Amino acid sequence: DQQVKQNSPSLSVQEGRISILNCDYTNSMFDYFLWYKKYPAEGPTFLISISSIKDKNEDGRFTVFLNKSAKHLSLHIVPSQPGDSAVYFCAASAILSAGNMLTFGGGTRLMVKP
Amino acid sequence: GAGVSQTPSNKVTEKGKYVELRCDPISGHTALYWYRQSLGQGPEFLIYFQGTGAADDSGLPNDRFFAVRPEGSVSTLKIQRTERGDSAVYLCASSLVSNSPLHFGNGTRLTVT
Repeated sequence: DQQVKQNSPSLSVQEGRISILNCDYTNSMFDYFLWYKKYPAEGPTFLISISSIKDKNEDGRFTVFLNKSAKHLSLHIVPSQPGDSAVYFCAASAILSAGNMLTFGGGTRLMVKP
Repeated sequence: GAGVSQTPSNKVTEKGKYVELRCDPISGHTALYWYRQSLGQGPEFLIYFQGTGAADDSGLPNDRFFAVRPEGSVSTLKIQRTERGDSAVYLCASSLVSNSPLHFGNGTRLTVT
């Protein structure tokens, strides 16, 4: 039973346009959400996070939106750049759980075309 | 180094053999995590250390898997009697304290033939 789902395995976007990556979760105990970016042969790199007390968090070209009632979050990248081409993982945790055990989605491969 | 270091980067072993995978976390990070990523999937939690002790090992798939962190820094993931299904990328991550963002290493790609 996948508690975090990324239903689009891949996304192709033209350079300069907006990329929107989506993520759905089922566990209502999740209250902290993160996006990680992964290049081939490297480990995931933390990108941006949001806690459940917010519905939006922005960092430069990256914005994460959280819709708690729909159990849905999205990552917006604007403008998209070729260097953004990577696999993006959505992850969730329950802050009050021990440690920071993250549950990851299956990833979305983003390709930004020049 | 500044980041999380994992060795070896690649390991090929025969079914039934024993393997050890090493993780050197960022200096000063008290929390250390092991994850496993199979092809086409996201990372799956295996075990979490706070200091020297395993605070949560609920993700270890069976008793062939064991991990230690004897001095609260370097950790070793040990897999006995390897099976072909153990083939995956094993990722280690550390964080300054629990509940802060994880910093991942580049992983060890384990292939069991």
